[in-house]
Amino acid sequence: EAGVAQSPRYKIIEKRQSVAFWCNPISGHATLYWYQQILGQGPKLLIQFQNNGVVDDSQLPKDRFSAERLKGVDSTLKIQPAKLEDSAVYLCASSPPGQGNNEQYFGPGTRLTVT
Amino acid sequence: SQQGEEDPQALSIQEGENATMNCSYKTSINNLQWYRQNSGRGLVHLILIRSNEREKHSGRLRVTLDTSKKSSSLLITASRAADTASYFCATVTGDMRFGAGTRLTVKP
Repeated sequence: EAGVAQSPRYKIIEKRQSVAFWCNPISGHATLYWYQQILGQGPKLLIQFQNNGVVDDSQLPKDRFSAERLKGVDSTLKIQPAKLEDSAVYLCASSPPGQGNNEQYFGPGTRLTVT
Repeated sequence: SQQGEEDPQALSIQEGENATMNCSYKTSINNLQWYRQNSGRGLVHLILIRSNEREKHSGRLRVTLDTSKKSSSLLITASRAADTASYFCATVTGDMRFGAGTRLTVKP
């Protein structure tokens, strides 16, 4: 089966600009996650969707970050305006229905550099 | 905030040797998972151990869980150069929290 797809793979922007990332989860996976991974650290959960509803966005900096999952399939994560500390890899993951606490399948990530 | 803490931060061994990585955490968990991340790539799930389990095996991987000590260990036996990667433990208590990882280098 096809894995989790993400685009773009790399993005370089200047601070105060905006950027958007796209994720297509594995077909049939109801739960979708966005993580931020800063260099040298483990992934940090930003937001979790169950179908098209938000389950957990407690660690999402809502003043600049937003995410949506229209129709319960693809998802976009946006940063506006970007700051230098947003430089990180943004990982999307998905898991099958009924397995929200079990194995997650990760995409290759989008490496964001803010200059 | 991150829940698990891996130890050591970095580990370098020769091919054929065993590698042991440890993970400690602070609160009760539903399960604990180990993931591998090759340089610049996404994470790959290795193994899941539930809170009522003490040990699990998968190929050359052995995971133990001691809930009384709030710790887990990942053992990779007969390591290969291809095992070079970062290894993360992730604790699940509703949501999933990752540690900072152990960077394993296996020298050929």
